[in-house]
Amino acid sequence: DAKTTQPPSMDCAEGRAANLPCNHSTISGNEYVYWYRQIHSQGPQYIIHGLKNNETNEMASLIITEDRKSSTLILPHATLRDTAVYYCIVRVSSGTYKYIFGTGTRLKVLA
Amino acid sequence: DAGVTQSPTHLIKTRGQHVTLRCSPISGHKSVSWYQQVLGQGPQFIFQYYEKEERGRGNFPDRFSARQFPNYSSELNVNALLLGDSALYLCASRRTGISGNEKLFFGSGTQLSVL
Repeated sequence: DAKTTQPPSMDCAEGRAANLPCNHSTISGNEYVYWYRQIHSQGPQYIIHGLKNNETNEMASLIITEDRKSSTLILPHATLRDTAVYYCIVRVSSGTYKYIFGTGTRLKVLA
Repeated sequence: DAGVTQSPTHLIKTRGQHVTLRCSPISGHKSVSWYQQVLGQGPQFIFQYYEKEERGRGNFPDRFSARQFPNYSSELNVNALLLGDSALYLCASRRTGISGNEKLFFGSGTQLSVL
């Protein structure tokens, strides 16, 4: 069963920040949160990940709440090419290295 | 550097047949995982292999099997195909040994259609 809950779809105006929420209320203390996106049934593309601290890279920022029960992916200046399905993923920490995907958020960036 | 490569890109089979999907990981990556993505859903974990050994298996029937070769490439085999096996099959590789900073790199997948 998925360990994350995301809104099924969101719209964002081009040039504006896109804020994609994710709920992971059952996350364990040593489980990481990863974000990937998928365009047109290509393979998922890595965006960012974190454990408990906020993270930033050239693509996005990840804000994790202090209780770690939710997080937000921020795309600071969305472009049309950011239109994709965004997955918030909890990485299982014990033994097998595996991702548990939810159904994702379909982000549409509007011109 | 080449990314994760999968072959074939598309495949059409009929019910009852078997299929073999192939994956070459990124150079230096020793772990390979397989995921199944049915239309409209997120990918589901099938197998993880590391150093040629199975390290994990998802909730899939025994018709699904896999193996990893000495060069770290991998094959996914599915026997007695069912219509419900129609999906995008994704392979992902990972560079191991960097605790906390590991991530999966996915290939573009093999689109399998079972008629």
